[in-house]
Amino acid sequence: AQKVTQAQTEISVVEKEDVTLDCVYETRDTTYYLFWYKQPPSGELVFLIRRNSFDEQNEISGRYSWNFQKSTSSFNFTITASQVVDSAVYFCALRGSYGNNRLAFGKGNQVVVIP
Amino acid sequence: SAVISQKPSRDICQRGTSLTIQCQVDSQVTMMFWYRQQPGQSLTLIATANQGSEATYESGFVIDKFPISRPNLTFSTLTVSNMSPEDSSIYLCSVAQGPDQPQHFGDGTRLSIL
Repeated sequence: AQKVTQAQTEISVVEKEDVTLDCVYETRDTTYYLFWYKQPPSGELVFLIRRNSFDEQNEISGRYSWNFQKSTSSFNFTITASQVVDSAVYFCALRGSYGNNRLAFGKGNQVVVIP
Repeated sequence: SAVISQKPSRDICQRGTSLTIQCQVDSQVTMMFWYRQQPGQSLTLIATANQGSEATYESGFVIDKFPISRPNLTFSTLTVSNMSPEDSSIYLCSVAQGPDQPQHFGDGTRLSIL
């Protein structure tokens, strides 16, 4: 079974501060995929990144960066120089090798950026 | 990525009634899914909508309560039957072009049952 843990429920930061969201996963599959999604207050779910288990390179996209550490089963997400528009719930998700592309979601991190 | 339209975007329904939610995609997609997000909670997969055959339901979800149709590769419906206040949630449709491709989500349907 797949499991995703996002321990921090709500995180408040002042604008321009950095914020890191932790994601720890569990799976017995040797091949799997990790995802991050953003859900702003309007409710839609926005895809941010996909990473497969064989690609441990970290990734940077603008102010967003992701740190994949297979040794600790973590896929952490950092927002640099946060802005008010970053206020949202961020979900980490995992898909294993088998099944029908079923995603296991973490409980989400509510990020509040204070102007 | 595909443009996904969900209708209605929100509704308020009476207990005991049923509501059908539509998910329309602007291009053919291999896979379509339906999720539920209860207030303040994460997403839970209800079922995979299979084109031309019965949907594949996750544990805890049954066809009588959540009948799903998928007549073609661009359209699916989810019906929430005999609704009770516990069914108040956001229902989201998602699509993917393959088993290792990311899922993209519609804007969701916010459902409240009185």
